[in-house]
Amino acid sequence: GDSVTQMEGPVTLSEEAFLTINCTYTATGYPSLFWYVQYPGEGLQLLLKATKADDKGSNKGFEATYRKETTSFHLEKGSVQVSDSAVYFCALTPMYSGGGADGLTFGKGTHLIIQP
Amino acid sequence: EPEVTQTPSHQVTQMGQEVILRCVPISNHLYFYWYRQILGQKVEFLVSFYNNEISEKSEIFDDQFSVERPDGSNFTLKIRSTKLEDSAMYFCASSEGAVTSARREQFFGPGTRLTVL
Repeated sequence: GDSVTQMEGPVTLSEEAFLTINCTYTATGYPSLFWYVQYPGEGLQLLLKATKADDKGSNKGFEATYRKETTSFHLEKGSVQVSDSAVYFCALTPMYSGGGADGLTFGKGTHLIIQP
Repeated sequence: EPEVTQTPSHQVTQMGQEVILRCVPISNHLYFYWYRQILGQKVEFLVSFYNNEISEKSEIFDDQFSVERPDGSNFTLKIRSTKLEDSAMYFCASSEGAVTSARREQFFGPGTRLTVL
């Protein structure tokens, strides 16, 4: 079945550092790929998405490029802030579903801690 | 901005009791989902619901679980006889369109933390 693997945390960085959180996936065909963020005490919020190969999703300074050849969707940000401290989840949905309402397959999440 | 809401935010129950977790999806959304997150683990898909029936379910969603849309606004998850291992955060989500459509984004509620003693 489909699966998502992302780097284990916690990842601790200083403010203004460069961030990369790795994500690779296993799925048939061309799934849609997502990054969700979970701030402390809150639910999951969609951060960015990409629906086909070579698409780049971006939001709030974060970006990720859908790489079919390496089955990856790494999250990057050039200069992190303390407010970026959260848990980040990589996720996918299949390219095709007979039912249409398929659930997301999530990675285990990466806890990011940004120190001032 | 419309959002998914869930009640209660925290539910404590005794093992063997029935619990009902409630969700109000975004009003024009047609697809509904439940997920759970056991503490420290990844978010897991439980079930999806469309057109008043289950569309897909995972192996976690056994006979102890059921879902219902009792009226035009609520979407509920019932656990018939809770077990210790049901302790988790349960998230409801909704989407306007199917997973293969351009309107596939799933919007999540804040979650209900279920503690089974």
